[in-house]
Amino acid sequence: DQQVKQNSPSLSVQEGRISILNCDYTNSMFDYFLWYKKYPAEGPTFLISISSIKDKNEDGRFTVFLNKSAKHLSLHIVPSQPGDSAVYFCAASDRKKTSYDKVIFGPGTSLSVIP
Amino acid sequence: NAGVMQNPRHLVRRRGQEARLRCSPMKGHSHVYWYRQLPEEGLKFMVYLQKENIIDESGMPKERFSAEFPKEGPSILRIQQVVRGDSAAYFCASSRRQGGDEQFFGPGTRLTVL
Repeated sequence: DQQVKQNSPSLSVQEGRISILNCDYTNSMFDYFLWYKKYPAEGPTFLISISSIKDKNEDGRFTVFLNKSAKHLSLHIVPSQPGDSAVYFCAASDRKKTSYDKVIFGPGTSLSVIP
Repeated sequence: NAGVMQNPRHLVRRRGQEARLRCSPMKGHSHVYWYRQLPEEGLKFMVYLQKENIIDESGMPKERFSAEFPKEGPSILRIQQVVRGDSAAYFCASSRRQGGDEQFFGPGTRLTVL
């Protein structure tokens, strides 16, 4: 039972254009959402997060949008750069349930930014 | 300022052998999480430990898997009598605080069971 879904296994974007990565979740109790970026042979690195009390969080070229009613979030990367090519994991946790972050990951979307 | 260290990076075992995976958290971090990534899947939570305590092992298979985080030394994920289905990448993460704190991941150990 996959609680965090990323329905696009891969995405290709031209350098300089916008990359939009989508994520859906099923557990309405999730109240904290994260995006991680992963290069081959490395561990995931934290990119950006958003609390359920917000609908948008921005950090430089990266913006995460949260639509709670649709149980959907998206990561926008503008402008996309070749170095952004990596696997992006959407993740979520229910911080009310546990005092620690038991993070549930989606299956990932592989982004390729074409020069 | 070393990050999370995991060793070995690659481990090959034959069916029935034991696998020991080690994780040294970042300096100042006393909270450790283990995750497993099967091919074409996301990371799956296995266990959360604090020094000398297992807090949540709800993601660990009931048999053959165990984890510890002793007072001194690295956290150890131990898999006894490995089977081919145990082949995966195992990632360790650490955080400074119990909750509301970013988890920093190690590079992972890729276990291959022949």
